[in-house]
Amino acid sequence: GIQVEQSPPDLILQEGANSTLRCNFSDSVNNLQWFHQNPWGQLINLFYIPSGTKQNGRLSATTVATERYSLLYISSSQTTDSGVYFCAVTAAGSYQLTFGKGTKLSVIP
Amino acid sequence: DTAVSQTPKYLVTQMGNDKSIKCEQNLGHDTMYWYKQDSKKFLKIMFSYNNKELIINETVPNRFSPKSPDKAHLNLHINSLELGDSAVYFCASSKHAGASSGNTIYFGEGSWLTVV
Repeated sequence: GIQVEQSPPDLILQEGANSTLRCNFSDSVNNLQWFHQNPWGQLINLFYIPSGTKQNGRLSATTVATERYSLLYISSSQTTDSGVYFCAVTAAGSYQLTFGKGTKLSVIP
Repeated sequence: DTAVSQTPKYLVTQMGNDKSIKCEQNLGHDTMYWYKQDSKKFLKIMFSYNNKELIINETVPNRFSPKSPDKAHLNLHINSLELGDSAVYFCASSKHAGASSGNTIYFGEGSWLTVV
């Protein structure tokens, strides 16, 4: 099946700093989503982005499908951004959303 | 209104018991899923139903049995619970199955199962 690798696995930021999270995948995808799992365990949709670039406030994401990677940018980080960020993909022809292992982000005041 | 709701949120039970987790979605979606998140936060699909028909059945013990009475509900029944079943179980739904355009998956808030 498709492999999804996220980097870095852990990230500690000072409040106000910017960061880039990366997701590499091993095969062509028709679906790519970024999720934020907050410290209370809720999985929140951030972006549906199988290709192109989207922005939502301080967050933006870019997927380059031909090169099999996606990037999530967080600018001016806040403590509420802490949690685990997951990339998940569905390979072409598949029904299944496969998750990466996540990037654990800790934003400190 | 919560789009994907699952109950109970927390469940502590003894080894050997049988328990169920219920899930309902009010989004009008055709497809529903169960995911398991282990202690290392890894999320793995267990089952998926599309219009009440099973379309994904990953390698899970047959003590786990999903049931979909209608396309808005997907329940998970677990027999003879074991310590290793302790995890967070997430229900999810999407408009339809497969990786077509705009097929965003929405997750419930999770059910924390602890087997003692």
